[in-house]
Formats: sequence, structure tokens, C-alpha cells
Amino acid sequence: NAGVTQTPKFQVLKTGQSMTLQCAQDMNHEYMSWYRQDPGMGLRLIHYSVGAGITDQGEVPNGYNVSRSTTEDFPLRLLSAAPSQTSVYFCASSPRTGAYEQYFGPGTRLTVT
Amino acid sequence: QQPVQSPQAVILREGEDAVINCSSSKALYSVHWYRQKHGEAPVFLMILLKGGEQKGHDKISASFNEKKQQSSLYLTASQLSYSGTYFCGTENTGTASKLTFGTGTRLQVTL
Repeated sequence: NAGVTQTPKFQVLKTGQSMTLQCAQDMNHEYMSWYRQDPGMGLRLIHYSVGAGITDQGEVPNGYNVSRSTTEDFPLRLLSAAPSQTSVYFCASSPRTGAYEQYFGPGTRLTVT
Repeated sequence: QQPVQSPQAVILREGEDAVINCSSSKALYSVHWYRQKHGEAPVFLMILLKGGEQKGHDKISASFNEKKQQSSLYLTASQLSYSGTYFCGTENTGTASKLTFGTGTRLQVTL
């Protein structure tokens, strides 16, 4: 099993550009989520999904869109990149909602200039 | 709302003990603990469910006080490998699908 994979590992965008961060898991996990990590802020939840076709907002959803058309994939779309979105983005998955271990991907380091 | 962690940072000599605290203003369903090394993804340590249980493995253990909405992580006889940033994550009663993390506690173990 590859676990949770994220692409790309690094990305530089210009203000106003759009892009999609990819996240995939091969563990048949129902629950997937996106976090951003900034110095001193910890991990902040952007969006999450409890199953295919179901998504919901986390703490900091503005400027981001998600969809979950399959169990395996949970892409994060930046609609119009802003410097404030410079961050490290982690995707995570777990078997289902509730008290289950979260498996994190390796992260994507995004810089918006 | 993010749980509050304390202290923000701690420096230990190898063999010393440390306690990291995590508190929430809302009723908790579960508390997760993760450790992150610099430049890496967070790694799972343990989960505690409401009921006041205590868990542990090796020299790292944790407790969960449901009445106070608090959890504490105990690191005993610290090793160099314990260095990293520790995060607690909480799931609130009624929103068990949403895992919210604290801002982290940076732990450095020195010789």
C-alpha cells in the first residue's frame, strides 16, 4: 500500500493563479481531510469529507474548494491564489469518522508570490 | 475552535520527564496526540475517548479528564528521539467528524 500520497511536493504560484493539489489514498478510507500548517498556528482544518459525494467546511475554508467523486481521491482547489495561502498543506485519511488514527500524506509546500 | 496547548516549548535533558497539556472549551468526544519531526508529516501516537481513560506505550502515556475537558501527555525518561512538535487534536461531542488541532508544543531533548 502506498498510503496517502500528495502531489506536487513543491509548487510556486503567482497571485491570482489557480491550481489543484492532489491527494489519494489506497486504504479504502471513508474519511479524508485537508489541513494547512503555518508557523505558530498548528494544523488548521480546511475541508473534510466523510465519504464519496459528501464534503464539509473546516475552520479556514475561504479560497478553497473540494470535491469527493471517488473514495480514493480528494483534490483541493485554490481558486485564485493569494500570498496568504502560502503554507504547507497536508492531506489525511482515516477509516471512518470518530476516534480513528489519521494517516497523513507527506505534504505540499506552496508558495504564492 | 482550536484546543489550547501548554507549554508552547520545552527543553529537556535526556532522561528528564515532561508533561504537555491540552484543553478545550467544548465538550470532548476524543483527544488525539501526534508528533511531528521537522519537515515531516505528523505521526500518530494515541487516541483517548471520553471516560477518563489513560493510555500509554513505552514511556509515553496520556490521560483524559472529561469533566475538565483536558488531556495531558506524559513523556518519561525522555530520549533524543522524542524531540519534535507535539499536537493534540480534539473531536467535540456532536461533531465527531471534525478533528481540530492545537498550535503545538515544541519539545527539544538535549544530551
